Amino acid sequence: DAKTTQPNSMESNEEEPVHLPCNHSTISGTDYIHWYRQLPSQGPEYVIHGLTSNVNNRMASLAIAEDRKSSTLILHRATLRDAAVYYCIAGGGATNKLIFGTGTLLAVQP
Amino acid sequence: KAGVTQTPRYLIKTRGQQVTLSCSPISGHRSVSWYQQTPGQGLQFLFEYFSETQRNKGNFPGRFSGRQFSNSRSEMNVSTLELGDSALYLCASSPGGSGYSYEQYFGPGTRLTVT
Repeated sequence: DAKTTQPNSMESNEEEPVHLPCNHSTISGTDYIHWYRQLPSQGPEYVIHGLTSNVNNRMASLAIAEDRKSSTLILHRATLRDAAVYYCIAGGGATNKLIFGTGTLLAVQP
Repeated sequence: KAGVTQTPRYLIKTRGQQVTLSCSPISGHRSVSWYQQTPGQGLQFLFEYFSETQRNKGNFPGRFSGRQFSNSRSEMNVSTLELGDSALYLCASSPGGSGYSYEQYFGPGTRLTVT
């Protein structure tokens, strides 16, 4: 599984876009890039995932570098409910085995 | 659709005892994965079951085991409990299948305290 590197914490203002970076330089060709978030006292919540192309869904966008060694999770308009720990996971191939790192704690200021 | 449910939500056990935790996946999901979350080690993958067979396994001792039933419900068992087993145990379900990595839906977890 590829090791991921994320900032320990980031801060954003409400209603502004947030770009959460993730480095995964040792990613293999079959590894998907996943993003989950965990709000306080809750289980992790799926945000988005992709393999090679950029992905969009109702929650966020995932921008994957052409060499796949890094990716960025984009929250288009942060709300107070987006304050959480965001985990970037790269590995496990085409399986459901997720190896979580330490994640990025996102704080959203009103 | 109902989400992933886990029972019990809280549990207190004594060292040396065993414990069984239960997970009911989202209807139609065939894969169930288990994770352990502690402040020191973070979220760690335990194992995954698909169609009643263990498909993936993490790096945990044999005291941790699991099974899946024909209705996709899953149980995990920890025998000879140690203080270090105190953790939040999370279950996640996904549609399953092979050759693709699916999004997983997590339950609220079972908080296990070993005294």
